[in-house]
Amino acid sequence: SQELEQSPQSLIVQEGKNLTINCTSSKTLYGLYWYKQKYGEGLIFLMMLQKGGEEKSHEKITAKLDEKKQQSSLHITASQPSHAGIYLCGAPPGGSNYKLTFGKGTLLTVNP
Amino acid sequence: KAGVTQTPRYLIKTRGQQVTLSCSPISGHRSVSWYQQTPGQGLQFLFEYFSETQRNKGNFPGRFSGRQFSNSRSEMNVSTLELGDSALYLCASTDRGGLGYGYTFGSGTRLTVV
Repeated sequence: SQELEQSPQSLIVQEGKNLTINCTSSKTLYGLYWYKQKYGEGLIFLMMLQKGGEEKSHEKITAKLDEKKQQSSLHITASQPSHAGIYLCGAPPGGSNYKLTFGKGTLLTVNP
Repeated sequence: KAGVTQTPRYLIKTRGQQVTLSCSPISGHRSVSWYQQTPGQGLQFLFEYFSETQRNKGNFPGRFSGRQFSNSRSEMNVSTLELGDSALYLCASTDRGGLGYGYTFGSGTRLTVV
């Protein structure tokens, strides 16, 4: 079965600093989703990457998919307290059309 | 466009009882999937329904069941509750699932079994 490993598990940064979160898959990635979650709440969709080499940006968040490395990265520029939360990567195992396998998440704390 | 709505938001039940959770997908979305989230196991897939049919089921005991109605609303039921069933239950909807189709999640139902 496919496993997604996220690193780091937790991250504390000073407001204004840049940061990167990685998501590495044990098997071929057929697509990769990034979500953000506030503790105890639902998942907020951030980005969906479908092709190797694809890069998407939204506001200060950029995500890339490296198909060969079976890895995706999420980069936040000039972090703000509003970026704090749990970041989760999810992928359709084997290109599944009905479910996502998720990483354990990265807890981001941004200190003002 | 309304998002995915899950009710209730919080629930406290006693061991041995049963519980029903509801999920209303985004209008037009025919696929609804359910996930269980716990601190130890993270997010785990329970099952998925598409056009009233269960397409796939995760590795959960038969106490966990679900169904989908003709309007795509879905319910999941857990019978004979155990303490370990305490978790955040999330549902997600998508048009048809698969690559390129985004999954939108609801706010979840926090179930506490005492």
